[in-house]
Amino acid sequence: GAGVSQTPSNKVTEKGKYVELRCDPISGHTALYWYRQSLGQGPEFLIYFQGTGAADDSGLPNDRFFAVRPEGSVSTLKIQRTERGDSAVYLCASSKSGATYNEQFFGPGTRLTVL
Amino acid sequence: RKEVEQDPGPFNVPEGATVAFNCTYSNSASQSFFWYRQDCRKEPKLLMSVYSSGNEDGRFTAQLNRASQYISLLIRDSKLSDSATYLCVVNPPSNTGKLIFGQGTTLQVKP
Repeated sequence: GAGVSQTPSNKVTEKGKYVELRCDPISGHTALYWYRQSLGQGPEFLIYFQGTGAADDSGLPNDRFFAVRPEGSVSTLKIQRTERGDSAVYLCASSKSGATYNEQFFGPGTRLTVL
Repeated sequence: RKEVEQDPGPFNVPEGATVAFNCTYSNSASQSFFWYRQDCRKEPKLLMSVYSSGNEDGRFTAQLNRASQYISLLIRDSKLSDSATYLCVVNPPSNTGKLIFGQGTTLQVKP
């Protein structure tokens, strides 16, 4: 079956611009996670959705970052006034539920470059 | 101190070698533990979960020592295809499944 998909695969933007990154989770998965990965580092947790609600947004670095999941399926990560330090691979993952034993399946990521 | 610490390597080993990776975690109340594998410019994929009793999957053996807050991964009879980054992953105490990743350990298996 189809895995987690993310669009765009690559995004190049200029400092100060607004970007939206999209994630399509595996059908039927209620839990959705956003992580970001900088070069040479492991993924860093950003936010977790259970259904439509953000159950844990403790990883969002500041208020320039926001994410939504209005219908409990597709999610969009929004970054305002981008900075060069936002450059990273943004990974989305989904799982059957938020239970810790459920495997998280990752999408291929969006590589964001802020010039 | 990082929540999950790993030696980034790289570990360069010949085919057929046995190699071990270690990882420590800081939160003693952490609930679940995993090893993920990540190929270059690809997404992480679950390799195996880690249990206190130790678990084995073919050539791979994972071990958890809760008293020392230490996780290990042993790979026997290394193959060229094992070359990748191995991420130590911990699920901290929370009501969510959020994962905390280590920096990753890079393995290069050479012919």
